[in-house]
Amino acid sequence: DVKVTQSSRYLVKRTGEKVFLECVQDMDHENMFWYRQDPGLGLRLIYFSYDVKMKEKGDIPEGYSVSREKKERFSLILESASTNQTSMYLCASGTSGGDEQFFGPGTRLTVL
Amino acid sequence: RKEVEQDPGPFNVPEGATVAFNCTYSNSASQSFFWYRQDCRKEPKLLMSVYSSGNEDGRFTAQLNRASQYISLLIRDSKLSDSATYLCVVNMDSSYKLIFGSGTRLLVRP
Repeated sequence: DVKVTQSSRYLVKRTGEKVFLECVQDMDHENMFWYRQDPGLGLRLIYFSYDVKMKEKGDIPEGYSVSREKKERFSLILESASTNQTSMYLCASGTSGGDEQFFGPGTRLTVL
Repeated sequence: RKEVEQDPGPFNVPEGATVAFNCTYSNSASQSFFWYRQDCRKEPKLLMSVYSSGNEDGRFTAQLNRASQYISLLIRDSKLSDSATYLCVVNMDSSYKLIFGSGTRLLVRP
């Protein structure tokens, strides 16, 4: 079974803090993704990576950065957290040729 | 106009009912189509892919209408455990980028 894990299920941070969200997958997938999910807006792609050290902006990259130093790990960084970044963050992975994406359990981030 | 649109529901049906969801997509060149299921406070998981010829998996049937740019999901003999949000997902250009609809919520009551 594919397993995607995320470092925290719930996180509470203060405005201005730097926040790291970690994601690890164990299936040797080339592609990894970070989404945020908000009511009524669905999943929106923040960043994705198709290889180690490679990244591309998704639809809403502003205020976020990412890091992929190893194939299995993809980190999302909020340089200076703001209240409008309160959301559910979902990491996913998938093969380069496949369409299916496998999701982690999500991190519910609250920024006060 | 959203790239992938779904009726948010909720669809409230009794056990044993048949229920159908539709989803429309904006890009006529879209290549691949899927239904994902998301339980409350859980991550989305692939339910089934949608092929041009349609496909069936037990009580679930998915169909694609390219001419009208919509896909559908039919659930027969609804179970309480079918209660979830169903996400319509489209791959628009054969890249690894998937476009997710905002989901249709289904509630199956006893």
